Parts: sequence; C-alpha cells; structure tokens
Amino acid sequence: GESVGLHLPTLSVQEGDNSIINCAYSNSASDYFIWYKQESGKGPQFIIDIRSNMDKRQGQRVTVLLNKTVKHLSLQIAATQPGDSAVYFCAENMGGGGSNYKLTFGKGTLLTVNP
Amino acid sequence: ETGVTQTPRHLVMGMTNKKSLKCEQHLGHNAMYWYKQSAKKPLELMFVYSLEERVENNSVPSRFSPECPNSSHLFLHLHTLQPEDSALYLCASSQVTAGLRSPLHFGNGTRLTVT
Repeated sequence: GESVGLHLPTLSVQEGDNSIINCAYSNSASDYFIWYKQESGKGPQFIIDIRSNMDKRQGQRVTVLLNKTVKHLSLQIAATQPGDSAVYFCAENMGGGGSNYKLTFGKGTLLTVNP
Repeated sequence: ETGVTQTPRHLVMGMTNKKSLKCEQHLGHNAMYWYKQSAKKPLELMFVYSLEERVENNSVPSRFSPECPNSSHLFLHLHTLQPEDSALYLCASSQVTAGLRSPLHFGNGTRLTVT
C-alpha cells in the first residue's frame, strides 16, 4: 500500500541554524497534511497543517511547503533552538469527507540541536 | 497541557491480567482515537469513535476492547495480552466536520509493558 516516508532518519543542526525536514508521500489522492513534533516521554504535538490547495503555509518559526508535482512535503524551522530537539513526523490524509480516519503517519526524523 | 489526558502513564501487567486505559479530552471534540506506537514503526490506528459510535476498527485483536461512553471519555480494556503488545498507547481527539479537515490532538500516552 501507499505510505508516507521520510528521506532522513536523523538530522543534527547547530543552534540558530535553520532546519529542513523532508517527507515524501506516494498517494496523489491525499489532500491534507500535518506535521507533528514528539518529545521524549510525550505524545505527538501538532505543529502545522496544510491543505492540498496550498503550496506554502507559515506559522511561528515554522513553514510547511507542499510540492504536489513530486509529492513532497517539507518542514522548515527557523533559528532552531535546543527545545526543538525531538522526533518530527508527517501525516497524510487520504480519506474522503470530513474525517481523519485514513490518516497515515511516517516513521519520523530525529532532530538534534547542538548548542 | 495537551487537552487530552491519559491515565495511567505507565502500566506493567502480566499476560493473564485485565486492565483498562483511560482517556479524557477537554477540547470539545466529537471524535476520539486509539493509536499504538511501537519502536521503529509508524503510528497504527486501532479504533475510531465519532459521535460516540465506532467508525473504524483496523482488525485489532479482540484482546483489545474499546469503550466510548460519551464524546469526552474513551477507554481501552485489555485482557490476556501478549508481550508483543508492549508499546505506547496514544489517545487522540479531533473535531470532525463534513468537508473540513482538522488535526488530531494527542495525549501523552500510556507506556504499557506486558510481562
């Protein structure tokens, strides 16, 4: 079946640098995408989402880019801080209607921020 | 605080025990979910309740039994589990509206160890 995957399992950056975490998806019918952050001992925390009718969305220090042509999603974190260290994973929604029942999650990328 | 509270945070049980996981959401959402998170695997959807009715059950073994008495509370009853059921069990909630997408909000999970 189709699934969400990540190009890099680990990413190490220096504090203050920008981080880019990538995600590839294979289902062209997916129309909604979400990025989550999971810190050790905690559940996934919603960061930002984007619908397929957009190609860019910005939040506080984060930007999500969607390239439907190559089925690629990325999360950019500006001025990365030690508190950003966590596992980041994307999810795609292939479902119809208004549900999230067919939300498929990737395995995650471990981001480590070095002081 | 995530708005989704799970208890207990940690649980150790033998294969012959019966236990229950509890989840409560304070976000006013109308859908609740149970996910299983195992090491090195993506999140796996176990059960979905929308408007208090079970919508999807992804062929989870019958030793896992969900219960959703109202839109704010969700339980996962466990009995005669196997060691391979050891994992982090995550509860989530979302607002389901026809034609709209919304992210899931997760609790911090129950770390289950089956001995």
